[in-house]
Amino acid sequence: QKEVEQNSGPLSVPEGAIASLNCTYSDRGSQSFFWYRQYSGKSPELIMFIYSNGDKEDGRFTAQLNKASQYVSLLIRDSQPSDSATYLCAVSGSNYQLIWGAGTKLIIKP
Amino acid sequence: ETGVTQSPTHLIKTRGQQVTLRCSSQSGHNTVSWYQQALGQGPQFIFQYYREEENGRGNFPPRFSGLQFPNYSSELNVNALELDDSALYLCASSLEAGVNTGELFFGEGSRLTVL
Repeated sequence: QKEVEQNSGPLSVPEGAIASLNCTYSDRGSQSFFWYRQYSGKSPELIMFIYSNGDKEDGRFTAQLNKASQYVSLLIRDSQPSDSATYLCAVSGSNYQLIWGAGTKLIIKP
Repeated sequence: ETGVTQSPTHLIKTRGQQVTLRCSSQSGHNTVSWYQQALGQGPQFIFQYYREEENGRGNFPPRFSGLQFPNYSSELNVNALELDDSALYLCASSLEAGVNTGELFFGEGSRLTVL
């Protein structure tokens, strides 16, 4: 059973601080890695994707991938209350599917 | 640019009934994927349609079936509903079939309650 694991949280971070979200995956054959944000009662929206080992930055967001450790993370700098949401890690699997973690609930405290 | 739309947004059914959920893909997208998301869980892949053909399926029984039409809109049909089918059903469209090639654009979902 191919799995993606995330800490369910909630992760509470003060406004303006760095939020660090982590994800591990079991399938060494996975090639693509995604972070989606989901507000309560809404559908997921893509934040970042990363394909290669290392860091990828986009504005306040940085995705980090370590294939040897089967680990992917998302850093959010200068956290804002609007960043409060559930963050879902998704990993490419076979059959054109994405395999999803259960998500980490992030709370940014003003 | 037209986004992904799903209907109905909410519905209630009883065990044993059948349901059809509909999805209009984003303009220019030829691939539609369906996901089931139970409360507090991540989405689970049901299947994907590319140019009217099912080209990938997750671990769901045959009573979950689908269609994609020439305009790339799609339907998800669930027969013989069970209580555990209660969930948010998400439709996502994308430019191409491969998950490596870009992002999924999700509709707002259809929340199904089975009593």
